[in-house]
Order: sequence, then C-alpha cells, then structure tokens
Amino acid sequence: AQSVAQPEDQVNVAEGNPLTVKCTYSVSGNPYLFWYVQYPNRGLQFLLKYITGDNLVKGSYGFEAEFNKSQTSFHLKKPSALVSDSALYFCAVSGNTGGFKTIFGAGTRLFVNA
Amino acid sequence: EAGVAQSPRYKIIEKRQSVAFWCNPISGHATLYWYQQILGQGPKLLIQFQNNGVVDDSQLPKDRFSAERLKGVDSTLKIQPAKLEDSAVYLCASSPSGGGSNEQFFGPGTRLTVL
Repeated sequence: AQSVAQPEDQVNVAEGNPLTVKCTYSVSGNPYLFWYVQYPNRGLQFLLKYITGDNLVKGSYGFEAEFNKSQTSFHLKKPSALVSDSALYFCAVSGNTGGFKTIFGAGTRLFVNA
Repeated sequence: EAGVAQSPRYKIIEKRQSVAFWCNPISGHATLYWYQQILGQGPKLLIQFQNNGVVDDSQLPKDRFSAERLKGVDSTLKIQPAKLEDSAVYLCASSPSGGGSNEQFFGPGTRLTVL
C-alpha cells in the first residue's frame, strides 16, 4: 500500500536561512512525487513534482526538492526562506503501477520568522 | 485560464440534514477529484472521475455520500444524512488526465460544519 510520512508537524526557520521540509514515502514500483502548498483559506497549489530523470527538481517560488530512491525521501528545500513562505506544505505520492491514486501526507506547517 | 470553481464556500448544517457541493473543473480537464480534508490532516480522496466514469470510489462512504459527473464536466457531491464527523473541508481538484504523473489543480474548498 502507498503511504507518505511527514515527520515534522511544524518547522520554524528565520528569514534568510535555508529551509527543509521532510517527506518519506512507500510505494510499489516507481513513484510520482509532489509537493503542494496551502495558504490560509485557499486551496492547495502545486509547487513541484518528480516523475523521472534528474533527482533534483526545481519548482515555483524558488523551491526545489531532491528525490532519494535509497532513502525513499523527497525533501523540500529552499536556500533562503521568506516570511511569505509561511504556509502548510503537503507531500504527495502516486504509484505508476496499478492504480494512480494520490496519497497525501498529513502536512507540515512552516513558520518563517522575520 | 479560470481555475477550479466550488460552491458554496461555507456551509453549516445540523446532523441528519443533507448537503450538496458543486464543482466546475478547469475547462478541458478530463479527471475530477473530490477530497475530504479534516482539520490537521492531509486531503483524503473520496472519489475520482475520468470524464463521466468513476475510476476510484473506494474511500467514499457510500451509505451516505454520493457524487455524480453526468456530462463529464461539473460535478456534485452530496451527503445525506450528515454526521458530526463529516465536518471538514471538501476540496475539488482537476487534472488533464488521470495518469499519476499529472499535478492536480485545486479549488478553494467548501468548509462544512455539522452541528
């Protein structure tokens, strides 16, 4: 069965510092991996995805994520955090064998302090 | 390009009442999803449509929830009768196709409170 784990409920970082939001997954076959962001009173917005190829993928707003097959991880990173990055971040996975149901993690709330 | 539209944005009902949510996906998107997001949790897929056919409804509580997408465009999700534990945000999303590699585009959601 597919699963996604976001081990941190909350991440705090100072503005200008690098940030990392962690995600690990379990899926049969090769995974499709996604990061979404949710701002207050708004729906989820797509940030980036890994399908195949280069393990480092770049997305919107300066975010990037690194796919690590051996560690089954897909951590979200940004070199320099902004206060406006404060939001709820969701990692999601879908398998490419059998069904393509997307499973979301529980979310990590990011606080960037000025 | 217009995004995914949902209505209403907020709904308050009493338990055992019925409620319906509406979603209009991005034009041309074949796949439509309904998710339930309970406070503090990630979205949980309730049902996935490919055009007007159901692809996955394994987590839809079929004794009280129903959904349709009759013409392969907009969709309605209904709860009858509602329970207290149905209080959640109901998110609609769409994607060009159902293959797992496509990102999903989400609407603003409907926040349901069951009293």
